Amino acid sequence: AQSVAQPEDQVNVAEGNPLTVKCTYSVSGNPYLFWYVQYPNRGLQFLLKYITGDNLVKGSYGFEAEFNKSQTSFHLKKPSALVSDSALYFCAVRDITNAGKSTFGDGTTLTVKP
Amino acid sequence: KAGVTQTPRYLIKTRGQQVTLSCSPISGHRSVSWYQQTPGQGLQFLFEYFSETQRNKGNFPGRFSGRQFSNSRSEMNVSTLELGDSALYLCASSLLRDANEQFFGPGTRLTVL
Repeated sequence: AQSVAQPEDQVNVAEGNPLTVKCTYSVSGNPYLFWYVQYPNRGLQFLLKYITGDNLVKGSYGFEAEFNKSQTSFHLKKPSALVSDSALYFCAVRDITNAGKSTFGDGTTLTVKP
Repeated sequence: KAGVTQTPRYLIKTRGQQVTLSCSPISGHRSVSWYQQTPGQGLQFLFEYFSETQRNKGNFPGRFSGRQFSNSRSEMNVSTLELGDSALYLCASSLLRDANEQFFGPGTRLTVL
């Protein structure tokens, strides 16, 4: 069975500071990993993904994430947070041996204060 | 390019009724997935269709069913509605393979009274 854990319900950071939103996963095979963001009253939007290759992936709005196979983690990061980054963030995993199924974490609410 | 569209956007039903939700994926996308989003349970995977075939399904009772048409449009049906079925139902499409990211529609807000 595949699973995703986002251990923090809420992350608070000050504008201009770096931010990290944590995600760990469990799959039987090799993972495809994704981050999505949900702004208030808007649909989920894709941020970035890891499929294979370089462990550090870069995505939209200055976000990046690092794939760590030994720690089964895929943490989302940004060097300098903006107030407009405040939103609900979801980590998701697909197992290449379990076609078609996506498992999402429970989400982490990021609040960036001015 | 038009995004994923879902109809209707809002529904109010009573217990015991059935409901059908519709999803039109982005043109050219062949995979359509459905999710139930609730404040307490997050995003729960319902099922995924690819080229009119259900490839995978989540842990939901048989009251939840779906299908995909040859034009990739998809419908989801819930029979014998229960109060606990009140949720935001999201549809997502992706281009071809599991490595492709999903594009989400705005959702259908279902309220069961």
